[in-house]
Amino acid sequence: DTGVSQNPRHKITKRGQNVTFRCDPISEHNRLYWYRQTLGQGPEFLTYFQNEAQLEKSRLLSDRFSAERPKGSFSTLEIQRTEQGDSAMYLCVGDTQYFGPGTRLTVL
Amino acid sequence: TQLLEQSPQFLSIQEGENLTVYCNSSSVFSSLQWYRQEPGEGPVLLVTVVTGGEVKKLKRLTFQFGDARKDSSLHITAAQPGDTGLYLCAGPTPYSGAGSYQLTFGKGTKLSVIP
Repeated sequence: DTGVSQNPRHKITKRGQNVTFRCDPISEHNRLYWYRQTLGQGPEFLTYFQNEAQLEKSRLLSDRFSAERPKGSFSTLEIQRTEQGDSAMYLCVGDTQYFGPGTRLTVL
Repeated sequence: TQLLEQSPQFLSIQEGENLTVYCNSSSVFSSLQWYRQEPGEGPVLLVTVVTGGEVKKLKRLTFQFGDARKDSSLHITAAQPGDTGLYLCAGPTPYSGAGSYQLTFGKGTKLSVIP
């Protein structure tokens, strides 16, 4: 158990809907990352926070994606107007190496 | 083009056999990490290698970092069904922001150990 929790674990949505995922790292994790993993691929970096500041975003993170970490503790990742290509496992990472269990998103 | 190439992509072996999986790159990495991921779960860090030529052992798993720090291998002795999973290698992404420590992953080797 890495101490990083993610909710929900599974989300099924229809194309065009908005979804929001939550990540709760342990309090000592100043750094927090979001990665996306599609079938048959390794995780791909999306974005990174140092405390509440979002310091880096991947080109993979289109305008439909937004991430926040308002108090430097938990983080949310929102996807607006979901597309079928957004179907993936979304992984939160505390302190560079402690992966949460992920949120599996299926867009119908 | 994948920065980190892992081979083989799939491996199915009998319990008790030995195996080696590989992670190769044309780029030099300051360190490489190996993770194991089970279905429906996040990856779990197994080891970090940081010195060229370094060998680390974790019970029946032996990890080696190439002398030139461009490749790494994972050798499992007497594989057990509990070793089944996706083995991923990862390294710091070149040219990422200073201090970001974002990782680039290979596609992984999917290992099945048959009882």
